[in-house]
Amino acid sequence: DAKTTQPPSMDCAEGRAANLPCNHSTISGNEYVYWYRQIHSQGPQYIIHGLKNNETNEMASLIITEDRKSSTLILPHATLRDTAVYYCIVRVGNSGGGADGLTFGKGTHLIIQP
Amino acid sequence: AAGVIQSPRHLIKEKRETATLKCYPIPRHDTVYWYQQGPGQDPQFLISFYEKMQSDKGSIPDRFSAQQFSDYHSELNMSSLELGDSALYFCASSRNEETQYFGPGTRLLVL
Repeated sequence: DAKTTQPPSMDCAEGRAANLPCNHSTISGNEYVYWYRQIHSQGPQYIIHGLKNNETNEMASLIITEDRKSSTLILPHATLRDTAVYYCIVRVGNSGGGADGLTFGKGTHLIIQP
Repeated sequence: AAGVIQSPRHLIKEKRETATLKCYPIPRHDTVYWYQQGPGQDPQFLISFYEKMQSDKGSIPDRFSAQQFSDYHSELNMSSLELGDSALYFCASSRNEETQYFGPGTRLLVL
């Protein structure tokens, strides 16, 4: 079973910031938070990941609470092409957990409105 | 940047036939993962290989087998196909068991 909980769907206006929450209250100390998205029937696309510090890359920002029990993915200026299912996944990171498969939960279907 | 390559992209088979899906990882990636995504479902992990050895196993049916070759490409062999095997099959690769990057998938239809 997935170790994360996400709202099933969210709407966001084009050009605004999209904030996607994720709860992972049972996360272990050596587990990272990963975010992927899947645009209809395409392969899941890696977005960002983090352990405890906030992270930012060219696609998004990841804010992790101090107790690491929840996080928020932020898409700063959403476009119509950001409409997708967003998955928050926890896994043991880099060279610590073996080649473990990812456990996908239900994810959040983010719909960007024009 | 080079991505994961999967072939074929589409495949149609009859029940009880055999299918072989191929995955070519990103250059210098040594780990391969296979996932299955049924209609309206989320991706489900099947199996993974690290340095040509099976590493983790998920919900892979006994009718399915996979291996990773010396050039790190991988093949998923599916026998005695059933209607319920119709799905998208994704391969992902990583370097040293780190971030997984997914391919475009193979769409398998079993008639």
